[in-house]
Amino acid sequence: QSALTQPASVSGSPGQSITISCTGTSSDVGGYNYVSWYQQHPGKAPKLMIYDVSDRPSGVSNRFSGSKSGNTASLTISGLQAEDEADYYCSSYTSSTTLVVFGGGTKLTVL
Amino acid sequence: QLQLQESGPGLVKPSETLSLTCTVSGDSFSSNSYYWGWIRQPPGKGLEWIGSIYYGGSTYYNPSLKSRVTISVDTSKTQFSLKLNSVTAADSAVYYCARQGVTTWGEANWFDPWGQGTLVTVSS
Repeated sequence: QSALTQPASVSGSPGQSITISCTGTSSDVGGYNYVSWYQQHPGKAPKLMIYDVSDRPSGVSNRFSGSKSGNTASLTISGLQAEDEADYYCSSYTSSTTLVVFGGGTKLTVL
Repeated sequence: QLQLQESGPGLVKPSETLSLTCTVSGDSFSSNSYYWGWIRQPPGKGLEWIGSIYYGGSTYYNPSLKSRVTISVDTSKTQFSLKLNSVTAADSAVYYCARQGVTTWGEANWFDPWGQGTLVTVSS
C-alpha cells in the first residue's frame, strides 16, 4: 500500500484535459510544497514533469500543470496528445522517518 | 548534460548481497544542492525510494529497508553505490539511480535526472 493515493487509471480523448489526484496527509502533501510528478513510458525511466507542486522543469510542455489543495495535489494535462499515454507517479517529502513517499501510480490512456 | 548510469549483476542468489554502482557524468556531483538516490520498481508495480546520500557521505534510508541497505559514495570516481543484503525474490526489481534536489532547509525533494535503470532478479 503506497503512502500517497492515486487513482489506478484515468482516460481522455485527444485534445481534452484530464486531472490526476494524489492524496496524502498533513505530514507530506498537505504540510509541504515539495510535491513532484513523474511520467513513465513503458520500459523507460521516470521523467520529472512537475516539482515543488507547480513548477515545470525546462523542456516540459506547458500543457502540464500542478496544483495543491489541502492534502491533495493534482496534475492536469491539457490538450491531451497520444504521446501523453503513460504512467504518472506523484511524490512528496514527508516529515515521517520515510522522508520520501511515492503514490501508487496512475495509468493514463488516451482514447 | 548530467547523465547517470547504473551497473552491476543482473542476477543475485537469495540470501546474498545485491551490489550496484551509479556513475555520474557531468556537473554537480560535489554540489551541496543535491543528494544522490536509489529508487526501485518491482515488475508491474510502483516506485519505492530506497535511500539517498549526500556527497559528503551523510545517508538517509527508507526505514523499511534500513536494516539491509548501505549506500556509499566515491567522489574521486563520481560514483555512488548500493548494497542490499539478505535479498529475497521480493527484492527483484528495476533499480534506478537519480539526482535528488534538496530544499533550502535540507529536505529531500524531486528526482532528476534518472538513470536508465537496471533489472536485478533474485533467483537461485
